[in-house]
Amino acid sequence: GQNIDQPTEMTATEGAIVQINCTYQTSGFNGLFWYQQHAGEAPTFLSYNVLDGLEEKGRFSSFLSRSKGYSYLLLKELQMKDSASYLCAGIYGNKLVFGAGTILRVKS
Amino acid sequence: DTEVTQTPKHLVMGMTNKKSLKCEQHMGHRAMYWYKQKAKKPPELMFVYSYEKLSINESVPSRFSPECPNSSLLNLHLHALQPEDSALYLCASSQEWGAGGTSYEQYFGPGTRLTVT
Repeated sequence: GQNIDQPTEMTATEGAIVQINCTYQTSGFNGLFWYQQHAGEAPTFLSYNVLDGLEEKGRFSSFLSRSKGYSYLLLKELQMKDSASYLCAGIYGNKLVFGAGTILRVKS
Repeated sequence: DTEVTQTPKHLVMGMTNKKSLKCEQHMGHRAMYWYKQKAKKPPELMFVYSYEKLSINESVPSRFSPECPNSSLLNLHLHALQPEDSALYLCASSQEWGAGGTSYEQYFGPGTRLTVT
């Protein structure tokens, strides 16, 4: 399968910066999404990377290195409402394959 | 309108019941998806419809039967389910399927929380 690995849980402090890493199998890979999912709600789109480099969108940035099979999501100026699960998803062939998700807990 | 709607929000059904989940989008998207999500697990793809035709069936048991009556609607018919089928069922849509790039950006509905007793 297309192994997509993320840490299971992370905890960070309000106002801080947190980086959530994702590693994936490079064979057949064709792009990567990050989604945010609050408990009991649907996933919502955060970012899309297909080329190497950093994509910045407000407080959230996403980085991709295709040769290393590595991506990260960077969240700045953390807010309590950022407590959620963050899903890394890779495009393989015609499918979007999700990682298990990282539960981020923001504490005051 | 960037919304995908799903009904019902919650459903409790017995193992002998027949019920249907409904999904609707009016974004002109030509690809629609059904996912199953268990607690603290990522969404698992079940079916993909592209231009109203079934393109992917991820070896889903026949007690789940999808239907795409038109480009805006997607149904999931349920019959003789098992307790282990209890989960959050998510519908999603995207511009296209198989075209690569941001056409894969999927918009998710709020889901139907299904409990099989």
